[in-house]
Amino acid sequence: EVQLVESGGGLVQPGGSLRLSCAASGFTFGSYDMTWVRQAPGKGLEWVSYISGGGSTIYYADSVKGRFSISRDNAKNSLFLQMNSLRAEDTAVYYCARESGSWYFDDWGQGTLVTVCS
Amino acid sequence: QSALTQPRSVSGSPGQSVTVSCTGTSSDVGVYNYVSWYQQHPGKAPKLMIYDVSKRPSGVPDRFSGSKSGNTASLTISGLQAEDEADYYCCSYAGSYTFYVFGTGTKVTVL
Repeated sequence: EVQLVESGGGLVQPGGSLRLSCAASGFTFGSYDMTWVRQAPGKGLEWVSYISGGGSTIYYADSVKGRFSISRDNAKNSLFLQMNSLRAEDTAVYYCARESGSWYFDDWGQGTLVTVCS
Repeated sequence: QSALTQPRSVSGSPGQSVTVSCTGTSSDVGVYNYVSWYQQHPGKAPKLMIYDVSKRPSGVPDRFSGSKSGNTASLTISGLQAEDEADYYCCSYAGSYTFYVFGTGTKVTVL
């Protein structure tokens, strides 16, 4: 059974940093591309960042480009999102999701809440 | 990077059919057959319901179906059931610059 478990969320002040983790199990992690998607309170889903299985190809949404950094450790079956220069509008539940290989997300974690507030 | 446009809400009685539209542009929905749909119950993670416009993952009831015409994709739920009440989001691949764009979301209510 595929399992994705996010952690690392919490309360941070504007301008601060936070590092999210996503622990994967139940599949060959390094064979799958991965994505972060976020959802602000009461709002819709927003794609944040993508990383290929080997980590060589990375994309970011314009809203986080230059501030967020995605990475992965295939030996530890883990996905990361380093978030710097956080803003109030980054407040959201952050989900990690497994890419199917055909431009859709076939499994999602339960999410971790990031709150940016002074 | 504008979101795909969905109606805020649709509703139907048990057993009826409802259709949720998802309107994009010629840079996303109109050019790629990579539209997916996700169901989200309150406080839960999204769940894949439809991929590649009209394909259903195993385990998703066949009363869920998808289609596309031009820049608009659609999700139809036939034989509406109480457990179908949820938020639904479309998503389209949009090329190597924008990458992915989600819809604004639609609340489906079972009357």
